[in-house]
Formats: sequence, structure tokens, C-alpha cells
Amino acid sequence: QVQLQESGPGLVKPSQTLSLTCTVSGGSISSGGYYWSWIRQHPGKGLEWIGYIYYTGSTYYNPSLKSRVTISVDTSKNQLSLKLSSVTAADTAVYYCARGPGLVATVFDYWGQGTLVTVSS
Amino acid sequence: SYDLTQPPSVSVSPGQTASITCSGDTLGDKSASWYQQRPGQSPVLVINQNSQRPSGIPERFSASKSGNTATLTISGTQAMDEADYYCQAWDSSLPLFGGGTKLTVL
Repeated sequence: QVQLQESGPGLVKPSQTLSLTCTVSGGSISSGGYYWSWIRQHPGKGLEWIGYIYYTGSTYYNPSLKSRVTISVDTSKNQLSLKLSSVTAADTAVYYCARGPGLVATVFDYWGQGTLVTVSS
Repeated sequence: SYDLTQPPSVSVSPGQTASITCSGDTLGDKSASWYQQRPGQSPVLVINQNSQRPSGIPERFSASKSGNTATLTISGTQAMDEADYYCQAWDSSLPLFGGGTKLTVL
């Protein structure tokens, strides 16, 4: 059973960089077959995909966030990371990491529990 | 940009059938998946892009599509099905989610 766990600061100041890590257990990122995504959910709102990465380091970002987003992977630690720069209050959200899309099944089949990040001074 | 439109809310009585729609231009040419999100929990995949249920998802969940509208159907709805439901499709390499539908079981 694949499990994902997000970690990182719950409070970030405006204009700073939000940094989160997702640790994967029960499966190896470097096994391939799946991309790994970051998805966020503003309070009381719907889901917004941020970007995904393959174990090779290949990335694809949401065009609306592309200028501020960096997703990276550390296969030795079985982790993926998210950096979002120049944050504002509009970036306050629950951030999820998820497995997906797969190369066959284009869905997000495992999700972390999510971590709330508040942008405030 | 490509949008997926869902009704904000749907109500159903226990034991009855709930239908949640998801509409989008050219959705007929795409595959839709569905996610359930119970209050305070992470989303869970309930229907994949082939309209199949992942392991562990009850048989009462099913999906269909007609034209540019995809529908999630929950037969014999139970109280535990009360949740937000999101459709998801792909626009080129960009995954898009519908705005979500709150299913109330009263």
C-alpha cells in the first residue's frame, strides 16, 4: 500500500518561498510507471493541480503557476518536493501530494493527508 | 481555458439514487475520473478514466457519459456517501478538476 506524507512549515510570510516535502512509503518513486503530483485546495474550495514530476526529473507545471513553481525529486530518499515562490495570501491552501498520473491509468490513485499552509505576516 | 462544470450541490434520500453531472466542451472526446472527499479527509479515487471502480470501492458507484456530460451515479445511497465529489479530465497534458458537488444525504 503506497502512502504519502507531506511535511513543511504551516506558516509562511508573504513574498517568501513555500517549501514542502512529500515522503513516499510502500513503493519506490524510481520504479517508474507513475508521475508524482502536487495538488492544492483553497479553504472551502475545489482542487487545483500544481504540477507533476517523473523520477527522471521531467516536470510539467500548471501554466497559471509555472513562473513560481519548482518540483523536484530525491529518489535516494523517496521524496518529492515543492517550492512556490513569492507567495501571497492567495496561496493559503491545503497542499496534497499524490501519485499520478500513471503512464497507463491517468488518475491520482494515492493521496497524502494534506498539509495546511497559511500565508500571513 | 477548459472548464468542467458541476452542480454545487445535490441532495438524496438514503437508499435512493444520486446522480452528479460534469459538463465540459469536448468532454465527449475525453475520459472522466471521479473523486470523493469526505469532510476533513483527502480525496479518494472512486471511478477511474475507464469508468471502473478501484479495489475497495463499493459497487453502488458507477459512471457513464452522454455527449459532453459525464455522470457519477450512486445507487442505494448511504449516509457514509455524504461528501464532496469532483470530476477530473485531461486537457492536453493538464489535469483539470470540476468545481465539486456537495452530496447531502438527508
